[in-house]
Amino acid sequence: SYELTQPPSLSVSPGQTASITCSGDKLGNKYACWYQQKSGQSPVLVIYQDTKRPSGIPERFSGSNSGNTATLIISGAQAMDEADYYCQAWDSSTAPFGGGTKLTVL
Amino acid sequence: EVQLVESGGGLVQPGGSLRLSCAVSGFTFTTYWMSWVRQAPGKGLEWVANINQDGSEKYYVDSVKGRFTISRDNAKNSLDLQMNSLRAEDTALYYCATHSSSSLAFDYWGQGTLVTVSS
Repeated sequence: SYELTQPPSLSVSPGQTASITCSGDKLGNKYACWYQQKSGQSPVLVIYQDTKRPSGIPERFSGSNSGNTATLIISGAQAMDEADYYCQAWDSSTAPFGGGTKLTVL
Repeated sequence: EVQLVESGGGLVQPGGSLRLSCAVSGFTFTTYWMSWVRQAPGKGLEWVANINQDGSEKYYVDSVKGRFTISRDNAKNSLDLQMNSLRAEDTALYYCATHSSSSLAFDYWGQGTLVTVSS
C-alpha cells in the first residue's frame, strides 16, 4: 500500500512561514491534497491538485509538489491556523492520508 | 448548503455488526464519488472505502476488505457502510465525504458518527 510521511509536529511564531512536508514514492506524479482539522471539528480541504485553493481558503495557504515531496506553505501564520494538517493522494483508486502534522503557532 | 449527516454509530461487541448511514443534501449526489474516512481516538485520518457514482466500483483499505461493504442509494441520496466482524481497532469516528472528479479531493465532510467496539 502507498504510504505518505509527515513530520508529527511543527511550531512557528505568528507571522512566520510554516512549511509542512509530505513524502511518498514519486508523489510528484500524483495530485496531492491538504486538509486542516481543528480540535473537535471535521477536516476542511485547504489545497487540492497540488496548488489550488478552494473558495474561502485564505491566500496565505499555498502548495507545491515535486519529486517525492509535497509541501503546504502557510505564509504569515496566524493563531487561527493552529491545527492538525493532513496530506492525501490517490493511488489506484485508494486514498491514503499522511499521519498528520500538528501545527502550533505561538 | 451542502450537508452530510452520518448516523448509526454506537457501542458493539467484538465480532458484532453495525450499519452506518450518511444522508446528503445540497448537491447533486449522483455526480460524486463517496467515501468513508475514519479517525481513531487521538489518531490521524484513515480512508476506509469509496464508491463511484453508480455503485459499480468499490474500493477498500486492506484492513477492512471482506468485512466492510460500502453501498449507495441514489434515489434516496444516501450512503451506507455495513461493518461485520468488528474488532477493537475499528473503534473510531467515521466520516462520510464527497469527492469529485474535478477536484480529486474530499470536498465536503460530515460531522462523523462514533463507533466503539468493546466488550
